[in-house]
Amino acid sequence: DAMVIQNPRYQVTQFGKPVTLSCSQTLNHNVMYWYQQKSSQAPKLLFHYYDKDFNNEADTPDNFQSRRPNTSFCFLDIRSPGLGDAAMYLCATSSLNRDRQETQYFGPGTRLLVL
Amino acid sequence: SQQGEEDPQALSIQEGENATMNCSYKTSINNLQWYRQNSGRGLVHLILIRSNEREKHSGRLRVTLDTSKKSSSLLITASRAADTASYFCATPSSGTYKYIFGTGTRLKVLA
Repeated sequence: DAMVIQNPRYQVTQFGKPVTLSCSQTLNHNVMYWYQQKSSQAPKLLFHYYDKDFNNEADTPDNFQSRRPNTSFCFLDIRSPGLGDAAMYLCATSSLNRDRQETQYFGPGTRLLVL
Repeated sequence: SQQGEEDPQALSIQEGENATMNCSYKTSINNLQWYRQNSGRGLVHLILIRSNEREKHSGRLRVTLDTSKKSSSLLITASRAADTASYFCATPSSGTYKYIFGTGTRLKVLA
């Protein structure tokens, strides 16, 4: 089945130790998104790609970086995780159509714990 | 903030009852979407309603849209324990590929 896959599902890292979360999709969608979601809150957009065009949110910390080497894969790099970065990280994709009435497809998320 | 508002923030009902949650947004839209999120999981798309539609049904779900009031509602009929989840509305951000999510409603259906 076409889907959005995130690995790992759970990630434990140490304070200040770089970590990479990965996302892959078999939907061939041109837009990919990374969200951060903390407990009982709405997903907060960190950045998104339209094809290879990178779009950073103004309030996304410099500590967060992203790479999209090809259509299928997108990575979230956290260079120096702090305790406040512990959260669920959600990857999503969408495919723009002429009417822009697109739907987002989400992966299961990676829960990051920072010790 | 452009974030949409949802109410109630939390809702607890008995199995078999109907659940209604509301979403308000701030800008003009061409569609509005509802998503469900089970605890610790990703979001699942439920239904998309276009700006020229007033009501849409999908199984036990009924969504209405009032563009004059910039509001939408999601009704879940004959709720089940498995409907326990958080529900979010989302609207496309004009001129971008981004979505603006509402604050979410946490629904608990008691068996």
